[in-house]
Amino acid sequence: DPKIIQKPKYLVAVTGSEKILICEQYLGHNAMYWYRQSAKKPLEFMFSYSYQKLMDNQTASSRFQPQSSKKNHLDLQITALKPDDSATYFCASSQEPGANTGQLYFGEGSKLTVL
Amino acid sequence: GDSVTQTEGPVTLSEGTSLTVNCSYETKQYPTLFWYVQYPGEGPQLLFKVPKANEKGSNRGFEATYNKEATSFHLQKASVQESDSAVYYCALGDYNVLYFGSGTKLTVEP
Repeated sequence: DPKIIQKPKYLVAVTGSEKILICEQYLGHNAMYWYRQSAKKPLEFMFSYSYQKLMDNQTASSRFQPQSSKKNHLDLQITALKPDDSATYFCASSQEPGANTGQLYFGEGSKLTVL
Repeated sequence: GDSVTQTEGPVTLSEGTSLTVNCSYETKQYPTLFWYVQYPGEGPQLLFKVPKANEKGSNRGFEATYNKEATSFHLQKASVQESDSAVYYCALGDYNVLYFGSGTKLTVEP
């Protein structure tokens, strides 16, 4: 059974709308991340959270807002969607913060298409 | 900033032949280096990691040596199988962030 659940697996949105991508991990990990994969930039880091606090943000646009309501949840809200936002968004987690020390476990991704 | 550059794909090989995927990196830190593999419809998964310079990592017949002097971390396998067909990513870990290369798509033909 998948230990990192991402919902929805596929979604289509219209330009200017808003979507929320859901991520829950059942690995008991303390750090969670969002990555984006597109044709232009494969596996691009977006955010990292540790113990529900934002650690690192390398997303230029404020249209992307992570939300952590529980320790094992890290959702991603995207507002004012643009066609360039079309990508597969991967949630990941690690036992402790520090991508350089431990293994990252990735979900299966949420593929977003913006028309 | 940190960056990773790897062999441009795609790469097509016949079963039983050898594989080399070149990876070079730039950083001012002392990173941990990783190879990840991604199968269709799945997220990336760790193949192996090497935390220290001049050490070798390996898994499932794949191996790579962390060469600090050459800033390289090339992936090798002596004899590929059809089941090795996937996209391979070299990655550099800099505390909270894992920086991935562009990926190399490997197709192994029977």
